[in-house]
Amino acid sequence: SQKIEQNSEALNIQEGKTATLTCNYTNYSPAYLQWYRQDPGRGPVFLLLIRENEKEKRKERLKVTFDTTLKQSLFHITASQPADSATYLCALPLSNFGNEKLTFGTGTRLTIIP
Amino acid sequence: DAGVIQSPRHEVTEMGQEVTLRCKPISGHDYLFWYRQTMMRGLELLIYFNNNVPIDDSGMPEDRFSAKMPNASFSTLKIQPSEPRDSAVYFCASSRDRRNTIYFGEGSWLTVV
Repeated sequence: SQKIEQNSEALNIQEGKTATLTCNYTNYSPAYLQWYRQDPGRGPVFLLLIRENEKEKRKERLKVTFDTTLKQSLFHITASQPADSATYLCALPLSNFGNEKLTFGTGTRLTIIP
Repeated sequence: DAGVIQSPRHEVTEMGQEVTLRCKPISGHDYLFWYRQTMMRGLELLIYFNNNVPIDDSGMPEDRFSAKMPNASFSTLKIQPSEPRDSAVYFCASSRDRRNTIYFGEGSWLTVV
């Protein structure tokens, strides 16, 4: 089975700075890794997917990296805003499976301080 | 599209009672998932369906839990009898296929007292 660790339960960042969240996994390296955002009282919302052969993926102010040697993904939010405050989850599929067997990390609660 | 629709949004029930959670997936989506989220264990996959057929229920914690999908637009997750440790948020999600984005509903917040 796969174990996922996300750095610290909570992270406080000053508005305008870059927030960096970490996702570490054990065992095998997945074909891809996903990041989700979850607001209080809401369901997770898909943000980005990065494949094992991609080093970096960007979407507006979001950037994700994937290092299969370190077994780690980093999620960056540049020029952070209070509206970015949420819990961010990383997820990856079990070996030989797709999205039908995703394992989620417990998440990092990000707070952007004005 | 309306997204994945779940009901009830909140339910408080007494231990021993039967609980039924309902889900309407996004139209055209062939996969339906039931997840459970708790502070201690995070988000866990309970069961998933493909074309209304249960494929993998290995995440279902006990025989007290059962799930059905009688047609492409409706699924239920039933807990009978319910116990306080079943208190959690239960999410239904759907996707077009195993490679596409998973869309989650807003969740059903269950409290068993």
